[in-house]
Amino acid sequence: EAQVTQNPRYLITVTGKKLTVTCSQNMNHEYMSWYRQDPGLGLRQIYYSMNVEVTDKGDVPEGYKVSRKEKRNFPLILESPSPNQTSLYFCASSFETGNTGELFFGEGSRLTVL
Amino acid sequence: GQQVMQIPQYQHVQEGEDFTTYCNSSTTLSNIQWYKQRPGGHPVFLIQLVKSGEVKKQKRLTFQFGEAKKNSSLHITATQTTDVGTYFCAGPSSGGSNYKLTFGKGTLLTVNP
Repeated sequence: EAQVTQNPRYLITVTGKKLTVTCSQNMNHEYMSWYRQDPGLGLRQIYYSMNVEVTDKGDVPEGYKVSRKEKRNFPLILESPSPNQTSLYFCASSFETGNTGELFFGEGSRLTVL
Repeated sequence: GQQVMQIPQYQHVQEGEDFTTYCNSSTTLSNIQWYKQRPGGHPVFLIQLVKSGEVKKQKRLTFQFGEAKKNSSLHITATQTTDVGTYFCAGPSSGGSNYKLTFGKGTLLTVNP
């Protein structure tokens, strides 16, 4: 089954404790992206990747890192999480570049930073 | 930077009533996409519009792309409880990179059975 898989789905952590949210897709998609969703703010893009070893900042990249060492994986790294990074995170992938193709979203990772 | 505005933010209807959400961009868009997110779920792609003035239908859903390619609408005829959710439009960001997709803040639709 074609899917985008994120882990963990839920996480409560404390300020400053490094964490990684993994994202994997099995559709051989070139494009992958991370979004955060907050009430009243909609979906905001954090980082995106057009292919292996090619990443770029979205609209809200501060406090996040990403890497794209393999085509299928695009982990989101919070080196030193802070409470303002409490949010619902979505990973998404697309066969084409992100603005011309359908985005497939993962089920989301709800992160709480205390 | 580019802004994609969606109205209304919320819409509550009685089952059977029609519903429309509007999306307006500050810049001309090469295309626009629409997504639906059920409560507690993730966004799911509905459609992409590319041509000026384009109209597409999916059963009770009608999507339009404005002549100037700066606005779009989603109309649902005779809503059902299964239509509940948040509807987002999304368009590519202008200038610089073509790979950033900017989402509107969405319209939350609730349907009273």
